[in-house]
Amino acid sequence: GQNIDQPTEMTATEGAIVQINCTYQTSGFNGLFWYQQHAGEAPTFLSYNVLDGLEEKGRFSSFLSRSKGYSYLLLKELQMKDSASYLCAVVDSNYQLIWGAGTKLIIKP
Amino acid sequence: GAVVSQHPSWVICKSGTSVKIECRSLDFQATTMFWYRQFPKQSLMLMATSNEGSKATYEQGVEKDKFLINHASLTLSTLTVTSAHPEDSSFYICSARTSVDYEQYFGPGTRLTVT
Repeated sequence: GQNIDQPTEMTATEGAIVQINCTYQTSGFNGLFWYQQHAGEAPTFLSYNVLDGLEEKGRFSSFLSRSKGYSYLLLKELQMKDSASYLCAVVDSNYQLIWGAGTKLIIKP
Repeated sequence: GAVVSQHPSWVICKSGTSVKIECRSLDFQATTMFWYRQFPKQSLMLMATSNEGSKATYEQGVEKDKFLINHASLTLSTLTVTSAHPEDSSFYICSARTSVDYEQYFGPGTRLTVT
């Protein structure tokens, strides 16, 4: 079966750095997305990785290792507004998005 | 670019009635549209995938006769919840994808409450 694992919840301090991990086992791989979802709102796109390595975009970076079936989202200089759920999703061989359950990130002052 | 709208943003209906939710891609042509449901504190659950001009593909456990999906054009898909029950109360989110890439552009969601 297809499986995507993320921690259920994480807590971090304002101004700090946090890394949210995602491991996946899917039938085929055509890329991995990270989305941010605030409570009561739809997901918004953060990043897309299809090749191994680190992609940096401002305070957010995303890393992919296809051989390990592993990705992480790195958030730097955390702000209170970063409190949200972070969803990892993999594009499988049928070009469908397989969603993880999401990681709820709580930022404390 | 890549804006997706949903209407209504929230709706309250009585048990047994039907509710239609519209999903529109405003500035691009969406060859594929997806409908998700999300219960409080849970992840997105894909209900169905629809390609323009063809029948929707429903995920296992989703009743196609209860959740009617129509993707009549490259910019519009509708989800009709028929004979709604209180357990259908949820956050319904649509997304759209072009034929060019895999990214899904999400609408703002529709919160349905069935009383």
